[in-house]
Amino acid sequence: QVQLVESGGGVVQPGGSLRLSCAASGFTFSSYGMHWVRQAPGKGLEWVAFIRYDGSNKYYADSVKGRFTISRDNSKNTLYLQMNSLRAEDTAVYYCAKDPYDILTGYFDYWGQGTLVTVSS
Amino acid sequence: DIQMTQSPSSLSASVGDRVTITCRASQGISNSLAWYQQKPGKAPKLLLYAASRLESGVPSRFSGSGSGTDYTLTISSLQPEDFATYYCQQYYSTPQTFGQGTKVEIK
Repeated sequence: QVQLVESGGGVVQPGGSLRLSCAASGFTFSSYGMHWVRQAPGKGLEWVAFIRYDGSNKYYADSVKGRFTISRDNSKNTLYLQMNSLRAEDTAVYYCAKDPYDILTGYFDYWGQGTLVTVSS
Repeated sequence: DIQMTQSPSSLSASVGDRVTITCRASQGISNSLAWYQQKPGKAPKLLLYAASRLESGVPSRFSGSGSGTDYTLTISSLQPEDFATYYCQQYYSTPQTFGQGTKVEIK
């Protein structure tokens, strides 16, 4: 069965950096686009970034563009999110989520359990 | 960006009730709409996509309809496990955007 397991969350100071990982199993990771979606405490869902199955195209929400970088290693079945210049408003649970297709469809058929990022001094 | 507005924000219902949640887009989205269910402390779960297509494994009491800018999620007979927060999401254009959520509580 499809499994997505995030890791790398924690507490970081404003302006700091963090790298999230998402280990995928139960499907052919290299054949599907992948997303990051976040949810601030007690709030709704916000799409963050997408990467195509082969890493050739990436898209970002305006709120993170220029600060976050999505990447993937298909040999390790792992998705990443490098987060730099973190702000208090980046505090959220970060989910990795699978796209149903190789290119950007834009909805999410499987989700990980999430990892909490807290930006605070 | 396309704005998604759900109504109501919350509702109270009893087991067996028929429940309807609406979602309105700020522009036409050509049925590029998904619905998710989220329980406290858990990840969202895909219920429907393309406005009315039921995801594999999702009970048939969930259904979706709509077109243009207006869409509806219906639960035909509410079950105890259905008490949760529901989100609509458009994927017609990037950035994909979500509604603010509808919390379904026990009456």
